[in-house]
Amino acid sequence: EDQVTQSPEALRLQEGESSSLNCSYTVSGLRGLFWYRQDPGKGPEFLFTLYSAGEEKEKERLKATLTKKESFLHITAPKPEDSATYLCAVQDTGNEKLTFGTGTRLTIIP
Amino acid sequence: GAGVSQSPSNKVTEKGKDVELRCDPISGHTALYWYRQSLGQGLEFLIYFQGNSAPDKSGLPSDRFSAERTGGSVSTLTIQRTQQEDSAVYLCASSSGGWETQYFGPGTRLLVL
Repeated sequence: EDQVTQSPEALRLQEGESSSLNCSYTVSGLRGLFWYRQDPGKGPEFLFTLYSAGEEKEKERLKATLTKKESFLHITAPKPEDSATYLCAVQDTGNEKLTFGTGTRLTIIP
Repeated sequence: GAGVSQSPSNKVTEKGKDVELRCDPISGHTALYWYRQSLGQGLEFLIYFQGNSAPDKSGLPSDRFSAERTGGSVSTLTIQRTQQEDSAVYLCASSSGGWETQYFGPGTRLLVL
């Protein structure tokens, strides 16, 4: 059974203080690893898909990386508007559903 | 363009009543998914549609839960004889194919009293 574990559960950073969020996964065969952002009271917003170890993708202050066991979401010089819950999910080659972690709640303090 | 829409946005019901939740996917998306997000838990897969067929219903928690999709578009998730443990946010997502990126709607917040 696919499993996704995210750490830390919550992270508070000062504005401009860079850090990384971790997503560890176990999957029989990885089809893709997905990062989403979720604001309070809203649905998840798609950020990135990573397909193979060594792949990296960037969007503004965010960069996602992938190894065979984990993914990192690096946040560089964050701003208060980056505050949200960041969700990681995997899709295995056997089916179309996503298996999600419980998320990291990120707070950026001005 | 228009994203995934869901209605109602909030629903309060009494234990034992039936509820229907609606999802309108992105136009042209053939795949549609339902997930449930309970407080403090990750999103939990419920059911997947490809067109009007549901090849994966493995996440439906009990036979009180059912879903259908008509015309390859709108989907309805029905919960019969609601229980307090059914209280959660029900999220719908759609994609242009079974292996493509899933885009989520805003969710329906269900509270069973």
